Amino acid sequence: GESVGLHLPTLSVQEGDNSIINCAYSNSASDYFIWYKQESGKGPQFIIDIRSNMDKRQGQRVTVLLNKTVKHLSLQIAATQPGDSAVYFCAEILSSGSARQLTFGSGTQLTVLP
Amino acid sequence: NAGVTQTPKFRILKIGQSMTLQCAQDMNHNYMYWYRQDPGMGLKLIYYSVGAGITDKGEVPNGYNVSRSTTEDFPLRLELAAPSQTSVYFCASSYGYEKLFFGSGTQLSVL
Repeated sequence: GESVGLHLPTLSVQEGDNSIINCAYSNSASDYFIWYKQESGKGPQFIIDIRSNMDKRQGQRVTVLLNKTVKHLSLQIAATQPGDSAVYFCAEILSSGSARQLTFGSGTQLTVLP
Repeated sequence: NAGVTQTPKFRILKIGQSMTLQCAQDMNHNYMYWYRQDPGMGLKLIYYSVGAGITDKGEVPNGYNVSRSTTEDFPLRLELAAPSQTSVYFCASSYGYEKLFFGSGTQLSVL
């Protein structure tokens, strides 16, 4: 079946720099995408979402970009801070039959260097 | 608000034992979910519920059972525990299918 995938399993950035985490999806029927942050020993925490009728959405220090042409999703974190160190998951809604379920990618580990 | 509460936080089972993972939410969400997360992997959906009395299988339901007698509670039952069920289990709830709120997880080891 189709699934969400990530380009890189790990990403290291200097404190204060911007971070870009990428995600590829292959199901053109997906119409909703979410980014979650998971700190060590904790459950995933919602960061930002975007619907397929949008190509950009901004939150506090975060921006999600959606490129439907190449089926690519990215999460940009501005002025990365030590507290941003975590695993970041993208997830998509797969509309299959009567079920609409989130499918998660395997995650990208973001490490913020001092 | 407590949000989504999971108990216990840690548990060690012997092969063949059974146990129930508890999950409760106080946000009056209709949708509740159970996921498992293996080391270095994403989350796999075990079971989900769209309301009291309604449950359905997810991607990896074998070896598990659920019930949803109230809006607040969604327990996950493991029968005849196997080493392959060693994982971290997350319960989540949502108003719709979209923005999920997760509990802090239960780390289960089957030895």
